[in-house]
Amino acid sequence: DTEVTQTPKHLVMGMTNKKSLKCEQHMGHRAMYWYKQKAKKPPELMFVYSYEKLSINESVPSRFSPECPNSSLLNLHLHALQPEDSALYLCASSQVRGQGRGEAFFGQGTRLTVV
Amino acid sequence: SQQGEEDPQALSIQEGENATMNCSYKTSINNLQWYRQNSGRGLVHLILIRSNEREKHSGRLRVTLDTSKKSSSLLITASRAADTASYFCATDPFSGANSKLTFGKGITLSVRP
Repeated sequence: DTEVTQTPKHLVMGMTNKKSLKCEQHMGHRAMYWYKQKAKKPPELMFVYSYEKLSINESVPSRFSPECPNSSLLNLHLHALQPEDSALYLCASSQVRGQGRGEAFFGQGTRLTVV
Repeated sequence: SQQGEEDPQALSIQEGENATMNCSYKTSINNLQWYRQNSGRGLVHLILIRSNEREKHSGRLRVTLDTSKKSSSLLITASRAADTASYFCATDPFSGANSKLTFGKGITLSVRP
């Protein structure tokens, strides 16, 4: 199974809502990532988890709150977002450096619209 | 921040022709990877080349790496309409314990049937 599954595929939320994005993989990868991608732009790294611990936070606003409950799951909790946060949110996983080839496997993304 | 810079930014070719895309980067790398993204969907890993390698092949893909020039090229031979997509190079720097892919701006490839 080389899939990374993201839910939901589409999400529309108001600026006062609280919602969560979910990501799941069963490849035994111990590194998981959240990326944000605006239209016609490259993905931008938000967070990296390694062995279920947050190892990189790319100065992301606190209205985005990541969580890694176990080695297969990664969540991104959203609260009080702004319209400019509308984007494609991509989850990815990989083996930890030194333990594998290094390529990342991406989910299909959640298309988020903040109204 | 973006490290890779692909060129050209857009490429339109006829089916059956070869497509060559270039990527330049700024800092030292552990490896360089190429990904494909179909419109609005997730990225698919194509090929990875390590900093001590100069060339790799995978099917119709050929990637080269010149660390002295900090550049890489991706060649897709005998292109097909299904190759129409955005292509990104991504670099993995030496720093840190974790892989931290940084993507270039991307190249939009259109293959005309």
